[in-house]
Formats: sequence, structure tokens, C-alpha cells
Amino acid sequence: DIQMTQSPSSLSASVGDTVTITCRASQSIGPYLNWYQHKPGQAPNLLIYSATNLQTGVPSRFSGSRSGAEFTLTINNLQPEDFATYFCQQSYSARTFGQGTKVEVK
Amino acid sequence: QVQLLQSGAEVKEPGASVKVSCKAFGYTFSYYFIHWVRQAPGQALEWMGKIDPDGGSITYAQKFQGRVTMTRDTSTRTVYMELSGLRSDDTAVYYCARGELHHNDYWGLGTLVTVSS
Repeated sequence: DIQMTQSPSSLSASVGDTVTITCRASQSIGPYLNWYQHKPGQAPNLLIYSATNLQTGVPSRFSGSRSGAEFTLTINNLQPEDFATYFCQQSYSARTFGQGTKVEVK
Repeated sequence: QVQLLQSGAEVKEPGASVKVSCKAFGYTFSYYFIHWVRQAPGQALEWMGKIDPDGGSITYAQKFQGRVTMTRDTSTRTVYMELSGLRSDDTAVYYCARGELHHNDYWGLGTLVTVSS
């Protein structure tokens, strides 16, 4: 199985900050890495698919990048509604997920 | 709009089975796979498998082979996930999610399954 290592597990930030979250795959997965936002009691929300593609309706302050098997989610100008848990998902072979990153208020 | 409506919370005893439903609204049911994913307390999300509503082909994650059964009813636009031989570590929130080829664009709100004697 492909393992996804996501870091950090949590971080504290303030409104207006830039936040970066990283996922590293245990093997090559091509561009098949997705990012989701999840808030308690809500359905997970797709932000970025295939490493760099912004899902329709998602604000442009969210972006994704890839360097080999390492993937990064960047949130620019953090907004109050962005405090949530973020997780990555590889879709190269079945699906596996990172452990999640909780973005909390500093 | 696209919605996946899941059945309500369940409490089951160890050894029992649970069947969770996921009813689809707002799109052509046969065009998209439905995936099942679960999240146990404090754990990462875990993929359980997927079903093609059009034809019914199914792929199960190896971990759940022999214990999980996914079915669909095209007349009601509903997909079901049944997990048998429940253990305490099956306590989790179970999600259904619509599957594009390489991502899941819509998810249900989740169904909490608690396994306890």
C-alpha cells in the first residue's frame, strides 16, 4: 500500500498568515494527490485535485504544488473560515490518506 | 445540487453487522462511482472500497475483504455498505463519497457507527 506522510499534524496561525502543509508519498504517485478541508460535522470539501488544480468554487488563496513525490498545500492570507483540518489523499492506486493537519487559531 | 444523504447513527454489539445507506441526489447516478471511507477516533481516513452504480462492479480494500459488502439499488439511487463481524475498533464515522476518476468531489456528512457491548 502507498503510505502518505503529512506534516505538521497541527499548526497555529493568525488571520492573514500564509500556511503550508506537506504530504510525501512512499512511492511515485504521479500528480494524483488531492487536498481536502474538513470541519466538524460537515462533509469533507475538495480543494485541490491532481496536485495543482483548484476545484470549482474554491477561493484562489488555496494552491497546490508538487515536487516529485512531495506535495504542498499553501493557503495565502488565511481567513477565519479556513481554521479547519486539512488532509491529503493519493488516488494513484486505490486511495490512501494523510493523517491530517489541524489549523488552529494562534 | 449534488448531495449524498447518509443514514443515521447506529449502535451495534460486537459480532453484529451494520448496513449504512447513501442516497444520491442532483446528478446522473450511473455516471459516478461511490466510494466508502471511514475515520476512527483519532485516526486517519481509511478507504474501504468503491462500487460502480452502472453495472455494479466493486473493488474492496484488502483489509476489508470478506467482511464488507457494497451494493446498489438504481431504482432508488442508493448505495449500501454492510460491514459484518463488528469489533470495537470498527467504531468510526463512515462516509460515502462520489468518485471522479482521480478524486472524490462530493461527500456525505458521515454516519457514526458505535460498536459496544
